[in-house]
Amino acid sequence: QVQLVESGGALGKPGGSLRLSCAASGFTFNDYYLSWLRQAPGKGPEWVADISSSGYVRSYADSVKGRFTISRDSDKRSVDLHMNGLRVEDTARYFCARLRNPGRGDFDYWGQGILVTVS
Amino acid sequence: EIGLMQSPGTLSLSPGERATLSCRASQSIPDSYLVWYQHKPGQPPRLLIYGTSTRASGTPDRFSGSGSGTDFTLTISRLEPEDFAVYYCQHFGSPYTFGPGTKLEIK
Repeated sequence: QVQLVESGGALGKPGGSLRLSCAASGFTFNDYYLSWLRQAPGKGPEWVADISSSGYVRSYADSVKGRFTISRDSDKRSVDLHMNGLRVEDTARYFCARLRNPGRGDFDYWGQGILVTVS
Repeated sequence: EIGLMQSPGTLSLSPGERATLSCRASQSIPDSYLVWYQHKPGQPPRLLIYGTSTRASGTPDRFSGSGSGTDFTLTISRLEPEDFAVYYCQHFGSPYTFGPGTKLEIK
């Protein structure tokens, strides 16, 4: 079955860097766009970034543009989120998710998420 | 950027009752771009409905979506104990945006 498992740094300092990784299994990795989303306590989810199935097209939320970079590795079946210039407001649970249909924009599988704290 | 508002913020109902959750967009959006998720504590969000009214794989048929333009609705015909959760609507735009959620709690 489809699985997405996040891992990586959980605690960062303002201005610092962290890297999150998401290991994917159970589906044809190269067929899907993959995304990172986050959810701060008490708030709705917020889309952060996504990367096309080929890896050539990357999109970012304005709140992270220029600071975060998404990448994917088809050999490792993983998608990473490199987070630089961390801010306190980046504190959230970060989810890796699969985009079911890039033309429709719905996320059909999500990982359990990883808590990132910037303090 | 299109904003989404959800109402009510909290809905208190009993198992067996009908639940009606609303999602209102700040501008008209295509029906194909409106999505609903269910979110339970300690779990990732679960895709329920996409394209306003198409149930995702595994979504029970007591869940239905409807609407157009700026007003969309998620209806749960008869609440089961496992349906009590937070529900989010989401729009596929630039960027993707989520509503603030409706918490469906047991009365």
